[in-house]
Order: sequence, then structure tokens, then C-alpha cells
Amino acid sequence: DSGVTQTPKHLITATGQRVTLRCSPRSGDLSVYWYQQSLDQGLQFLIQYYNGEERAKGNILERFSAQQFPDLHSELNLSSLELGDSALYFCASSVGSGSNYEQYFGPGTRLTVT
Amino acid sequence: GQNIDQPTEMTATEGAIVQINCTYQTSGFNGLFWYQQHAGEAPTFLSYNVLDGLEEKGRFSSFLSRSKGYSYLLLKELQMKDSASYLCAVREPSGTYKYIFGTGTRLKVLA
Repeated sequence: DSGVTQTPKHLITATGQRVTLRCSPRSGDLSVYWYQQSLDQGLQFLIQYYNGEERAKGNILERFSAQQFPDLHSELNLSSLELGDSALYFCASSVGSGSNYEQYFGPGTRLTVT
Repeated sequence: GQNIDQPTEMTATEGAIVQINCTYQTSGFNGLFWYQQHAGEAPTFLSYNVLDGLEEKGRFSSFLSRSKGYSYLLLKELQMKDSASYLCAVREPSGTYKYIFGTGTRLKVLA
């Protein structure tokens, strides 16, 4: 158990819908990262927040948005869902924002878009 | 462009040593990471290299050559539980500071 929690564990929804994935980092960690992992694309970095501020940005689609709240939990919002958005979404956390800080991954949310 | 290459699959025998290579071409460099991921589970951090050379951590070691855009992960005394995917990732230093992952190497350890 990494100490990072993600809810829900599974989510099934239809195309065109909007969903919110939630992540609670390990106690004391200020950075939160979001990743998408699909069978054909591997692990893709989406975005990083550090203490409420956006710190790094990957290939996150405009239909996706994220934020980190004052209590440090984070939410990833996915809208206008398409079949290709079906994937495993991981959240990770670390103490700091730099590369030298180890990231701890949550168990993931499996999103299925039908 | 940005690219990270790893072999897709490798097979090795229990007790042996295996080396998983990773080559990268990125806009810059701010560290290279190795992660282990068992099927259906989350990745777990194995190592971080930012300077050239070898970092050793128990049965696992990671090597980096920045001039060659090359790294390897060395696993010694292989155990059945080492059967997993191994992901190589690089962080870019400026602009977006994003992480770029390879597609991973699936390692099968045979008895």
C-alpha cells in the first residue's frame, strides 16, 4: 500500500459524458501527478501539481482538466468522453516537485467508455 | 523529437542476471527513472539517475550515460517475482518539465 488513494476504482460511462477522478496523496506529500495508461500507448504523463499550483504539463487533452485543492487532494475531470479515453488513470504523489523525489503511485481508476 | 526505446520483451532464468537497455532522444534531460510494474498493478519506483554512472540498490542497479542517451537496468539473482514490466522514463528540464515514458520491457523469469 503506497498511501495514495484513488476513487473510484472502476468507472463505466458513455461517450459524451463527463467524469471526475479523485486522488488523495500520501500524508505530507505536496506534489500530485496524473498519468494515463492504455494498452496501445503505454504510460502517459498528463499533469503535475505542487501545493495547489500547476508545475508540469504533459500531453493532456483540452477536454481534460485537473486541480489540486487546499487540502492537497486532486481531481482529474474528463469531459466529452470518447471511446479512446478508456484507460487506467493513475495518480502519484511525492514530497517535493523536483525530479529527485520518489513518486508513489495509487492503485488507479479504470475508466471504460462505452 | 522525443523518443524512448526499450526492448518489448525479454526472458531470463531464475538466479541469472539480466540487463534491460533504454535509449532516449529528448529535448533536454532532467533525470532518468526506472519503474517496475506488475500486471494489473501500479508502477513502483526503482531508481533515479541524473549524473553519469552506476547507482546500486540491492539486487537492482541502474547506469546512465548522458552523452550517449543511454541507460540500463541490471537485475541480479533473478527471482520469479521479478517477472514484470520495466518502464524507463526521462524528465525534460525546461518548459513543460514533463515526463516521457518508454513503452516498457516485459520480463519473464523462468524457473
